[in-house]
Amino acid sequence: AQKITQTQPGMFVQEKEAVTLDCTYDTSDPSYGLFWYKQPSSGEMIFLIYQGSYDQQNATEGRYSLNFQKARKSANLVISASQLGDSAMYFCAMREGSSGGSNYKLTFGKGTLLTVNP
Amino acid sequence: SQTIHQWPATLVQPVGSPLSLECTVEGTSNPNLYWYRQAAGRGLQLLFYSVGIGQISSEVPQNLSASRPQDRQFILSSKKLLLSDSGFYLCAWGRLAVSTDTQYFGPGTRLTVL
Repeated sequence: AQKITQTQPGMFVQEKEAVTLDCTYDTSDPSYGLFWYKQPSSGEMIFLIYQGSYDQQNATEGRYSLNFQKARKSANLVISASQLGDSAMYFCAMREGSSGGSNYKLTFGKGTLLTVNP
Repeated sequence: SQTIHQWPATLVQPVGSPLSLECTVEGTSNPNLYWYRQAAGRGLQLLFYSVGIGQISSEVPQNLSASRPQDRQFILSSKKLLLSDSGFYLCAWGRLAVSTDTQYFGPGTRLTVL
């Protein structure tokens, strides 16, 4: 079974509108971290936002926020006031296990291609 | 601030030729280092990770190998490339001392095997 599922291969949004990119995850570990990365056409992976499994509040970082629904095992990325420069691939990723443990690895979803239209 | 470098940026190699991709990190010590591969239109696949000099863990058995000769240097190698080795190779670093355990990626190397 996939650990990270991104069901939207592609999404379109109008400039200045908000968009939600979906991510569901599968783990039996009570301690985990969830990450979102942006990959523009240049290829570099850019870290956007992080949510820990024990965090009580949803993470926010500028125009990015993470809608964390633990019971549903979802960690959707919300981008507010979309800009043309937001057009890119977006990847959701998960680290299982607590910080300092033996699991240092990230598991990535297959990504969502976001296109922002003017 | 920390920076991560990869070279070369692009590489075209014939099948059966050797490979050496290099990754170096500046501005931090004893980082965890990672090699990922991304096939066209796909997500990232973890190939190797290292938690210290000479310590390499392999995630996917294949004709690739990795080495960490220095604290902030990570090398991906192959003795004989296959067509299926084509892809975008990304190096990343991370530190468990940071609560988010975020991995930060380099600019990548685009490898085409012909």
